[in-house]
Amino acid sequence: GESVGLHLPTLSVQEGDNSIINCAYSNSASDYFIWYKQESGKGPQFIIDIRSNMDKRQGQRVTVLLNKTVKHLSLQIAATQPGDSAVYFCAENHAAQKLVFGQGTRLTINP
Amino acid sequence: SAVISQKPSRDICQRGTSLTIQCQVDSQVTMMFWYRQQPGQSLTLIATANQGSEATYESGFVIDKFPISRPNLTFSTLTVSNMSPEDSSIYLCSVEGGEGQPQHFGDGTRLSIL
Repeated sequence: GESVGLHLPTLSVQEGDNSIINCAYSNSASDYFIWYKQESGKGPQFIIDIRSNMDKRQGQRVTVLLNKTVKHLSLQIAATQPGDSAVYFCAENHAAQKLVFGQGTRLTINP
Repeated sequence: SAVISQKPSRDICQRGTSLTIQCQVDSQVTMMFWYRQQPGQSLTLIATANQGSEATYESGFVIDKFPISRPNLTFSTLTVSNMSPEDSSIYLCSVEGGEGQPQHFGDGTRLSIL
């Protein structure tokens, strides 16, 4: 089977509940942040992004919050569904389009 | 967003051999990137594939081990040379989504070295 995410932090939530995935980033100069979702056997898929001039951005069932003071990023997923089960990565953008990825969190949705 | 195809999707190789991974994009892009994702780990940038010039490698990655080609704006290859079991990873190609836009990824090549 897929070996991605075997040693990652995990979060389990009940189907229908909301989930919050947290990420601490390292570079106070980063000005662009992205959340990716990686399902087994696939590459990372873009979910939502936010720029450093914003504190909050909402998408469909997802919200990203940015706290620049403590260099913290979170992804909120509302009304979780079985298809939300995946590994979630935050990424921060440095100069020249270089992305630096966080360690990832495995989200499991329990029926 | 661009459609990114990687070949092969997976392979099992003998140590000491080399494997070339291909990345094809359905539209012209300026920036293409190669990442490694070791088992249970996050993604680490190997290099930026530059069209018409040598790739730009990140710290810890060298051209002799990971030669990269970028013959045009829609295609790139990454070779993993003289493989050892420590090279067993997922290798991912990504492309820029435009200025200030997120990178998009292919589904990766799952490489196992015996």
